[in-house]
Amino acid sequence: ETGVTQTPRHLVMGMTNKKSLKCEQHLGHNAMYWYKQSAKKPLELMFVYSLEERVENNSVPSRFSPECPNSSHLFLHLHTLQPEDSALYLCASSQAYRDTQYFGPGTRLTVL
Amino acid sequence: AQSVTQPDIHITVSEGASLELRCNYSYGATPYLFWYVQSPGQGLQLLLKYFSGDTLVQGIKGFEAEFKRSQSSFNLRKPSVHWSDAAEYFCAVGPRSNDYKLSFGAGTTVTVRA
Repeated sequence: ETGVTQTPRHLVMGMTNKKSLKCEQHLGHNAMYWYKQSAKKPLELMFVYSLEERVENNSVPSRFSPECPNSSHLFLHLHTLQPEDSALYLCASSQAYRDTQYFGPGTRLTVL
Repeated sequence: AQSVTQPDIHITVSEGASLELRCNYSYGATPYLFWYVQSPGQGLQLLLKYFSGDTLVQGIKGFEAEFKRSQSSFNLRKPSVHWSDAAEYFCAVGPRSNDYKLSFGAGTTVTVRA
């Protein structure tokens, strides 16, 4: 596979479930990002990982928990979500923290 | 803090006609500038970017954009649209500083009619 891949592509979960989103980049990049895309709203940056550094948007609720075990993989762990968390979650990567970002296809999340 | 405005929420254009999408930014210095396209159910694909140099930037799929410092604009153009250009287009701005955060506009949806 090439580029940035995300699994699953679609996820439906209840508010009490625990699930994880996975992102993998095959570009040899050193920075990875999670974005939330809600209908008719600008993309919201949630988390950034650059090598050993994590940059976090302070407005992200604790029910979202990122994990970056290495520079190729990024996870978003979900717990006790709310219906308003339903959105498209996009992963991106870049060569370095301030370089051009390349996006995956996204995970469409629906919280019931 | 930087911000991005895409004034047009939705544009309808005939196939073969020209297209221009507007993007205005607010930032104290010259930022990095990007245009991305998102087809339904897909992620964002980079069309083009401006970092420095020639203010007219060529991208993929026949798109180009022009950086105008005096107008704080980075408008996207295509001389002749194809039905496959129907998508949502996002302008993005990133500062040239250590406090890097890419800011996206709300997007412009392009509909192409036959």
